[in-house]
Amino acid sequence: GQQLNQSPQSMFIQEGEDVSMNCTSSSIFNTWLWYKQDPGEGPVLLIALYKAGELTSNGRLTAQFGTTRKDSFLNISASIPSDVGIYFCAGQGGSEKLVFGKGTKLTVNP
Amino acid sequence: EPEVTQTPSHQVTQMGQEVILRCVPISNHLYFYWYRQILGQKVEFLVSFYNNEISEKSEIFDDQFSVERPDGSNFTLKIRSTKLEDSAMYFCASSLWGGYSNQPQHFGDGTRLSIL
Repeated sequence: GQQLNQSPQSMFIQEGEDVSMNCTSSSIFNTWLWYKQDPGEGPVLLIALYKAGELTSNGRLTAQFGTTRKDSFLNISASIPSDVGIYFCAGQGGSEKLVFGKGTKLTVNP
Repeated sequence: EPEVTQTPSHQVTQMGQEVILRCVPISNHLYFYWYRQILGQKVEFLVSFYNNEISEKSEIFDDQFSVERPDGSNFTLKIRSTKLEDSAMYFCASSLWGGYSNQPQHFGDGTRLSIL
């Protein structure tokens, strides 16, 4: 079945640093989504990407839909303590279901 | 901002008992979904629902599971005879449209189901 490889698994950074994480797949996806999950809560949508090559920003967050349709990355610039959480990529390809990556756990030290 | 709401936030049930998890999707959305997340693992798709029918389901969604939209606002997931391995966070999601529509899925905060 479709699987996403998300890396890194975890990151420990200092406040103010930039962060980059990515997802790759052997399958083509038509949509890439990035969600953030805080403890005890559901995934919150950060950025949605619908076209190959698309680069989209949401404040300090920037995400790109890879030109091969098989990858996506998320960058966070000038990290702050409230960026702490687990970031998930999710792909959607030709069906209703979202396929999720295993998540990147981000820790920001003040 | 409109949101998906789920109740209860935590459900504790004896193995073999039936459980119903409830969701109120965003009001103008037409597609509804259930996902689950076993502790420490990734989020997994269970089922999608549109126009009062299941539109897609995963291998996890076997005969023990059913979904229903009993009225104009609620969307429920029923597990008939719970097993220990059903313990997980269950997330409801909704979207305005499905598939190729460029409409993202929005998630609720989940129900933590604990089977004893």
